[in-house]
Amino acid sequence: KAGVTQTPRYLIKTRGQQVTLSCSPISGHRSVSWYQQTPGQGLQFLFEYFSETQRNKGNFPGRFSGRQFSNSRSEMNVSTLELGDSALYLCASSRTGMGNTIYFGEGSWLTVV
Amino acid sequence: EDKVVQSPLSLVVHEGDTVTLNCSYEVTNFRSLLWYKQEKKAPTFLFMLTSSGIEKKSGRLSSILDKKELFSILNITATQTGDSAVYLCAVGGGDSGNTPLVFGKGTRLSVIA
Repeated sequence: KAGVTQTPRYLIKTRGQQVTLSCSPISGHRSVSWYQQTPGQGLQFLFEYFSETQRNKGNFPGRFSGRQFSNSRSEMNVSTLELGDSALYLCASSRTGMGNTIYFGEGSWLTVV
Repeated sequence: EDKVVQSPLSLVVHEGDTVTLNCSYEVTNFRSLLWYKQEKKAPTFLFMLTSSGIEKKSGRLSSILDKKELFSILNITATQTGDSAVYLCAVGGGDSGNTPLVFGKGTRLSVIA
């Protein structure tokens, strides 16, 4: 069974630009959550989607947004990029929700210059 | 505020040594504690511990949960260089069971030959 797939794997953007990251969950998983990982802060929760609805949201500014499609694929968008947004963005999927085991994708490495 | 603290932050051991990684937590309405291993890519799931499953073992890795003292340990015996990674502890709680996992900052383990 295919795991969680994230694209792109690596990208470099300029301050002020926007970026869209994509995540395809494990087949049959309806919950998709996003995390930002940086050396100083560790893994920080961004948001979770379940059946196309945002069910949970972390403490990130409104520049960070996401959505989920009917096939459970999810995208997250970061607008007006700042240098501090440079991080590894991880997507994770779960069959029913975050109370269960979540499985991570390989991540998207974002560098903002 | 829910909190997960891992210790030590990093350690270096020689092949064949036994290591113990610690994870203490404060969470409202504890439901589960999960361990992940992260090499230079996605965190991979190791164990999930709950009130009904406070001890898990897989090969050289084992973990126990002490719900009374609010901590968990991850033991690795006969360490190998392939065990070098960051080990993440995450705790799930809340009323709905869909509360986002809270992650610790990880323990970086380096195993040298």
